[in-house]
Amino acid sequence: GNSVTQMEGPVTLSEEAFLTINCTYTATGYPSLFWYVQYPGEGLQLLLKATKADDKGSNKGFEATYRKETTSFHLEKGSVQVSDSAVYFCALAPGNTPLVFGKGTRLSVIA
Amino acid sequence: DARVTQTPRHKVTEMGQEVTMRCQPILGHNTVFWYRQTMMQGLELLAYFRNRAPLDDSGMPKDRFSAEMPDATLATLKIQPSEPRDSAVYFCASGLFAGGYYGYTFGSGTRLTVV
Repeated sequence: GNSVTQMEGPVTLSEEAFLTINCTYTATGYPSLFWYVQYPGEGLQLLLKATKADDKGSNKGFEATYRKETTSFHLEKGSVQVSDSAVYFCALAPGNTPLVFGKGTRLSVIA
Repeated sequence: DARVTQTPRHKVTEMGQEVTMRCQPILGHNTVFWYRQTMMQGLELLAYFRNRAPLDDSGMPKDRFSAEMPDATLATLKIQPSEPRDSAVYFCASGLFAGGYYGYTFGSGTRLTVV
């Protein structure tokens, strides 16, 4: 079946540190892949996406590359800010059924 | 930016009362989803509609939950009777299905507390 596995949180980093949140997936076919971010008290917001192998999605300094050979879509940012504190969800679109979400990874950035 | 509007943002109700949550999807989106988020279970898909027709409601407790889409601009999720275990944040999301999904837009959620 289709599934997404994210690294367990919480992740705590100092401001300006490098961020990696791991995401691996299991899917049939070639799904589109997404990262969503949820700030406190808000809904999930689309952060970035990639629709085919080797595509790189990027937004607000965050990047993720669709790696078919390792079935991964790791989220990275070179220098995190306090304002990046949120919960991050990896997701895949398996075709004509709804998106499959990971359990989320909470990130806390301290000044 | 187009947004998904959910009302109310917060609801506190007594056990046994009926609760109705409303969602206005983005114009032009043909699919509407209802999710529930709790600390213990995370994000759960309750039901979804495409072109106003229910496609799957297997995630909903059938005896007390119902979801409808009376027109293209309104989706509702109703709980009757409500129970304390229904306390959660309920999200509506809408998206365009065109041979696949290319991302959804979520509303800000309804935080439900049943006492």
